[in-house]
Amino acid sequence: DADVTQTPRNRITKTGKRIMLECSQTKGHDRMYWYRQDPGLGLRLIYYSFDVKDINKGEISDGYSVSRQAQAKFSLSLESAIPNQTALYFCATSDHRRGLQETQYFGPGTRLLVL
Amino acid sequence: AQTVTQSQPEMSVQEAETVTLSCTYDTSENNYYLFWYKQPPSRQMILVIRQEAYKQQNATENRFSVNFQKAAKSFSLKISDSQLGDTAMYFCAFIDRGSTLGRLYFGRGTQLTVWP
Repeated sequence: DADVTQTPRNRITKTGKRIMLECSQTKGHDRMYWYRQDPGLGLRLIYYSFDVKDINKGEISDGYSVSRQAQAKFSLSLESAIPNQTALYFCATSDHRRGLQETQYFGPGTRLLVL
Repeated sequence: AQTVTQSQPEMSVQEAETVTLSCTYDTSENNYYLFWYKQPPSRQMILVIRQEAYKQQNATENRFSVNFQKAAKSFSLKISDSQLGDTAMYFCAFIDRGSTLGRLYFGRGTQLTVWP
């Protein structure tokens, strides 16, 4: 869905480097999420944000941090990348204010390789 | 805890045929939603269909329909008149509408291949 964009789409980095993945949305949704996908494991929640001042850890937040710079922007940082953070990362949004928080819409994903 | 199980890692079907993908879930909640998402080789996660637990009527979207059995906690996806473009990984997902977490719980996926 072009309403949710992620940059970069692909990234190769080295162990120990700090990197940032960015997510922007034009859907006007208040809630944003970061998931990671590993082969055979489905998607797991890293962090989620209900609004600019409300950020919460998901099930696998260790090694990650986030920033909600504006309602439309939600960034994920790996402070010191390690090889087991190699994965496909998805940003998602949902609209709670209109009672539609159940349906999440995903960005195109960022494929990250940590060497 | 909420869990979603997809017991078929891979399935295949011939073009124009019908295929059913299985999903079971475990929850003690009564107010929830279920989804099927499709992930083609482009890796985009695309919403296929959703079902509200309080609705008895099964959801349909064109060639896609579900068989929702609440008592059995089963939520299967039927794809009719399969097309080559249906080749993708399909994920079943659950969300508890009453939870403040607002997170989706995903199964591990079923890789569907449609062959000519």
